[in-house]
Amino acid sequence: DVKVTQSSRYLVKRTGEKVFLECVQDMDHENMFWYRQDPGLGLRLIYFSYDVKMKEKGDIPEGYSVSREKKERFSLILESASTNQTSMYLCASIRGSTGELFFGEGSRLTVL
Amino acid sequence: AQSVAQPEDQVNVAEGNPLTVKCTYSVSGNPYLFWYVQYPNRGLQFLLKYITGDNLVKGSYGFEAEFNKSQTSFHLKKPSALVSDSALYFCAVRGISGGGADGLTFGKGTHLIIQP
Repeated sequence: DVKVTQSSRYLVKRTGEKVFLECVQDMDHENMFWYRQDPGLGLRLIYFSYDVKMKEKGDIPEGYSVSREKKERFSLILESASTNQTSMYLCASIRGSTGELFFGEGSRLTVL
Repeated sequence: AQSVAQPEDQVNVAEGNPLTVKCTYSVSGNPYLFWYVQYPNRGLQFLLKYITGDNLVKGSYGFEAEFNKSQTSFHLKKPSALVSDSALYFCAVRGISGGGADGLTFGKGTHLIIQP
């Protein structure tokens, strides 16, 4: 059974802290994505990666960075968390360009 | 740029009645279209997709969707709603750009509420 695993389901951090959100997929997919989900705004693409060490900015990259050192792992980094980054973060992966995205269960981040 | 519109924030349907969740899209060229469902505090689950071929696509849990190129629509349908269908539904599109996969563009989502 295919799986995308986000290591932290719920996190509470303080303003200014550095935050790492980890995502691992076991499907050997080339492409991985980070979205954030906010009520009334749907899903917005933060960053994506189509290969190891490759990354591309999505629609809302400001305040975020990513790391992809291994094919199966894609990390989202908040260098200095702010309250407006309180959100649900969803990781996803896909093989090629015609398939569907497989999503993790999400990481709900609260920044105080 | 590609975009997706889900014109209804919420759809209310009585159990046993047919349901429709609307979606229209804008994309250059031919689209890849998807529907996902999300239950509370969970990730998104894939329901169905249209890539090419028959305009009526069948998916999981008895859902289907009809691709209408002239109306640029991809409405989600089910003949008989169940209370367990209550969830948040997202329509998504990817244009066939010929390049690497650059993710999907999602609509804002529609809350589907099935009343017993």
